[in-house]
Amino acid sequence: DADVTQTPRNRITKTGKRIMLECSQTKGHDRMYWYRQDPGLGLRLIYYSFDVKDINKGEISDGYSVSRQAQAKFSLSLESAIPNQTALYFCATSDGGGARNEQFFGPGTRLTVL
Amino acid sequence: ELKVEQNPLFLSMQEGKNYTIYCNYSTTSDRLYWYRQDPGKSLESLFVLLSNGAVKQEGRLMASLDTKARLSTLHITAAVHDLSATYFCAVDLYSGGGADGLTFGKGTHLIIQP
Repeated sequence: DADVTQTPRNRITKTGKRIMLECSQTKGHDRMYWYRQDPGLGLRLIYYSFDVKDINKGEISDGYSVSRQAQAKFSLSLESAIPNQTALYFCATSDGGGARNEQFFGPGTRLTVL
Repeated sequence: ELKVEQNPLFLSMQEGKNYTIYCNYSTTSDRLYWYRQDPGKSLESLFVLLSNGAVKQEGRLMASLDTKARLSTLHITAAVHDLSATYFCAVDLYSGGGADGLTFGKGTHLIIQP
């Protein structure tokens, strides 16, 4: 089984709808992240969480919210989806405490907002 | 604001040739990462570079880090078709209190032709 899973893998929705993307991990990591990937722009950080009680905004948090339900679960919500939120969304985890802080990525969720 | 610039953004090369991808970043950082992404797939960690002068090698890929010049390179030796992918560098703005997520370059789309 994959260490970092995301659901759904693909989603098509309409403008104005509320959408939740979910991420679960079995790596036992404290730190979780949400990134967005757009063609030609690389990945950009939306939100990150160091533990259940610690959530921080990233570079592009406007229009998004998150919930850290447990150490292993980190959800991203689009309260009212708009077309320019069409993108590939990745969840990542890291142990954070060591020198490496290597991040491990989930398979991604492709979101299309019509 | 941390900026990460990769060049080239697109590279087409022949099998058997050598080439280098460059990654410049704008702020002092302790850690730099290289990732590979195949079309429609997630990001796979290639290298984690933790100190000035660090050099890591895996197969035909070698990565190095010069923190004084704020430059990392990914060198490809005797390229083969299987190395065709998009390569990202990412920098961790380690603040001492924890990692705040990665800032990515835009990626280098590498095509290796027979």
